[in-house]
Amino acid sequence: DAGVTQSPTHLIKTRGQQVTLRCSPISGHKSVSWYQQVLGQGPQFIFQYYEKEERGRGNFPDRFSARQFPNYSSELNVNALLLGDSALYLCASSSELGVETQYFGPGTRLLVL
Amino acid sequence: DAKTTQPPSMDCAEGRAANLPCNHSTISGNEYVYWYRQIHSQGPQYIIHGLKNNETNEMASLIITEDRKSSTLILPHATLRDTAVYYCIVGRSSNTGKLIFGQGTTLQVKP
Repeated sequence: DAGVTQSPTHLIKTRGQQVTLRCSPISGHKSVSWYQQVLGQGPQFIFQYYEKEERGRGNFPDRFSARQFPNYSSELNVNALLLGDSALYLCASSSELGVETQYFGPGTRLLVL
Repeated sequence: DAKTTQPPSMDCAEGRAANLPCNHSTISGNEYVYWYRQIHSQGPQYIIHGLKNNETNEMASLIITEDRKSSTLILPHATLRDTAVYYCIVGRSSNTGKLIFGQGTTLQVKP
């Protein structure tokens, strides 16, 4: 079975632009979470979605938004990009809420110039 | 969720056991201890979790002290492929989609 997939793998944008990152969870998994990992730091929680509803939001500005589709895939959108948004964006999925094991994708590396 | 404290780095000889400590003195009764690792440039990988009993799986063992204020992840026979950043995370099972990562421990396995 395929694991969590993310696209694109790498992305270069300029300040002020908007970006959309995509995540496909493991087949049958209904929960998707997004994390931001700045170089040298641990991942930071951004959003969790379950059954197309937002179930949690981390301490990120409103420039960050996300949604989950009926097939449980998810998109993360970031508007008005700042240099500080340069990071590895990780998606994780689990079969249900409260399931201990989160499966992470390889991430999308975003560089903002 | 309770915070965790881990040493920033550790070395281990290949083939020996790697023992990674974690302090979580403010853990509450309904919080679990989770361990993930992140090999360079990859997404984090789940290793093991426990509430109060010691746990073992094909990857590692988790030893939790009786007062639950600290734990140790044991990789019984470390290989070069175990070189990674290891994260100890404490949280409720209902919040496992909102993991709070710290800085972790960088484990370097040396030949």
